[in-house]
Formats: sequence, structure tokens, C-alpha cells
Amino acid sequence: AQTVTQSQPEMSVQEAETVTLSCTYDTSESDYYLFWYKQPPSRQMILVIRQEAYKQQNATENRFSVNFQKAAKSFSLKISDSQLGDAAMYFCAWGSGAGSYQLTFGKGTKLSVIP
Amino acid sequence: EPEVTQTPSHQVTQMGQEVILRCVPISNHLYFYWYRQILGQKVEFLVSFYNNEISEKSEIFDDQFSVERPDGSNFTLKIRSTKLEDSAMYFCASSVDRARYGYTFGSGTRLTVV
Repeated sequence: AQTVTQSQPEMSVQEAETVTLSCTYDTSESDYYLFWYKQPPSRQMILVIRQEAYKQQNATENRFSVNFQKAAKSFSLKISDSQLGDAAMYFCAWGSGAGSYQLTFGKGTKLSVIP
Repeated sequence: EPEVTQTPSHQVTQMGQEVILRCVPISNHLYFYWYRQILGQKVEFLVSFYNNEISEKSEIFDDQFSVERPDGSNFTLKIRSTKLEDSAMYFCASSVDRARYGYTFGSGTRLTVV
């Protein structure tokens, strides 16, 4: 079974600084996708960024970027120029390209942004 | 931007009562899902639905749960006889092509069983 591990239950960052959230996963599949979802206090799940496992290039979306290390099964999220609105729970998730239909989520990292 | 719509946003029900949670997925999406999140805990998969049938379900999704797509636009989750431990946030999601482009989640229904 696939597992997703987020080892940092809580993190904090100063406004305008950079923070990296860690995620590791375990799978025997070769066709899969990785995601970071943001859950603000409203509890809506918002897709932040996605990575296709067969692409070596790290995904980037504005201030958000990932460091995808396939051999190490690591998928960290970097947030640059942190803003107050970035404060939220962040969930790492894994999805199969051809097997299971479900997304497997990590337990989440609560990010606080200090003004 | 297209949205997944869930109603109601909050529902309080007596233990043992039936509840129906409603969702309108994005119109061109083909795969539909229900997840739940007990307060402070991880997001857990319940069921996926494709081509008018359940494609996968978790151990949580027992005989108390059922899903339907009654009219081609709505997607519902029914809990037949609610228990206290069913209190959670329930999220509906939809996707174009399984996990390929990620899921779009609704804003959730907070279910409180008293």
C-alpha cells in the first residue's frame, strides 16, 4: 500500500521569507502523480501544485515550487516570499496513474506565517 | 473557474438518523469521489465513482454508506444510520482523468452527529 509521510506537524516562517515543507512517499508504481494541497481555516482543499513522476523537471507555480527527488521518493514544497495568506494546513498527496483511484494523503503540516 | 459545489455546508443530525450529503461536480469531469476528515486528522478516502458505478471503496465505506448519481449532475453520499463517530468534514471531489490533473474538491459539509 502507498504511504505518504509528512514529518513536520507544524512550521512557522517570517513574512517575506522562504520555507520548505517536507514529504516522503512509498510506492512500487512507476506511473504516479504527486500533489500539494492547501487547507486554510475555511477547510476548503485547494490544489497548490502537481508533479508528474515521469517528468524530471520540478514543477513551479508562481511562489510555489517543488523539489522532486524520485529515487529518494521525496517531494518537498518551497514557498518563497511567504505571505500572511499562506498560513494553512498543507497536505502532500500521491495518486496512481493507472492503479488505485484514490489520493493518499499525508497527515499535514500546519504552517504559520509571522508578520 | 469551475467549482465543485456541496450542500449543506453544515448539518446536525441525531444519532441513528439518515443523512444525504449533496454534491455537484464539475460538468466535464468523469470521476467522482467522497473523502472525510475527522477534525485534526488526515483526509481519508471513502469511495470513487466512475461510469455510474463504484470503482473503488475503502474499509470505512461499509453498508451504512451509499452513493448515487441520480440525474447526471448531482452526486450524493447517504449515511443510513448515523453514529457519533461519523461526525467529520465530508469532501466531494471530481477529476477529469483519475489523478492525472489532481482533484477539484468542494468546500465540504461539516456533519455533526449528536
